[in-house]
Amino acid sequence: SQTIHQWPATLVQPVGSPLSLECTVEGTSNPNLYWYRQAAGRGLQLLFYSVGIGQISSEVPQNLSASRPQDRQFILSSKKLLLSDSGFYLCAWSATGYSTGELFFGEGSRLTVL
Amino acid sequence: AQRVTQPEKLLSVFKGAPVELKCNYSYSGSPELFWYVQYSRQRLQLLLRHISRESIKGFTADLNKGETSFHLKKPFAQEEDSAMYYCALSGVNTGFQKLVFGTGTRLLVSP
Repeated sequence: SQTIHQWPATLVQPVGSPLSLECTVEGTSNPNLYWYRQAAGRGLQLLFYSVGIGQISSEVPQNLSASRPQDRQFILSSKKLLLSDSGFYLCAWSATGYSTGELFFGEGSRLTVL
Repeated sequence: AQRVTQPEKLLSVFKGAPVELKCNYSYSGSPELFWYVQYSRQRLQLLLRHISRESIKGFTADLNKGETSFHLKKPFAQEEDSAMYYCALSGVNTGFQKLVFGTGTRLLVSP
């Protein structure tokens, strides 16, 4: 069966420090991968998506970047964190091919920037 | 542009009462609509999709293109229905799922 792992679960970082959140998927090949940010009162905002290795699309201009070095690995990064980067980040995957609308989400990573 | 609106941040009902979680959308084409749910300490997961026309855990949702709505309904709420509910929209058959989510509605069912 397919599983998705995301870490770290919680992270407290000072302003200006770097960030790396990692997400891996097991049990499937060539998944579509996503990074969402969940903020209270603002719902789920799609940050990045990827349909293959090295293929990253950014949805909103921001201080973050994403990379997909391997088929089932998706990384969210920042060189210098801002206070506004605080939030709950969710990684998700979906199967390629005909769309079913089903995204499978990780457990999330809560980032607090101080 | 795609947009999903969930006007209620919180919906509080008593056990056994009917529930309707509102969702309105804007999309210049034929959308696919979904409801996702997040129970306490669990992952966000798909509840139902409009193309399946299914009832999941007693919940149903009908796509009303005239009113651009996709409200989630259940005739008799249960305490275990308490959760965060998100309405989501995507373009038709894009080959990959780029879902736009609403801001969510927290459903609280009291005994």
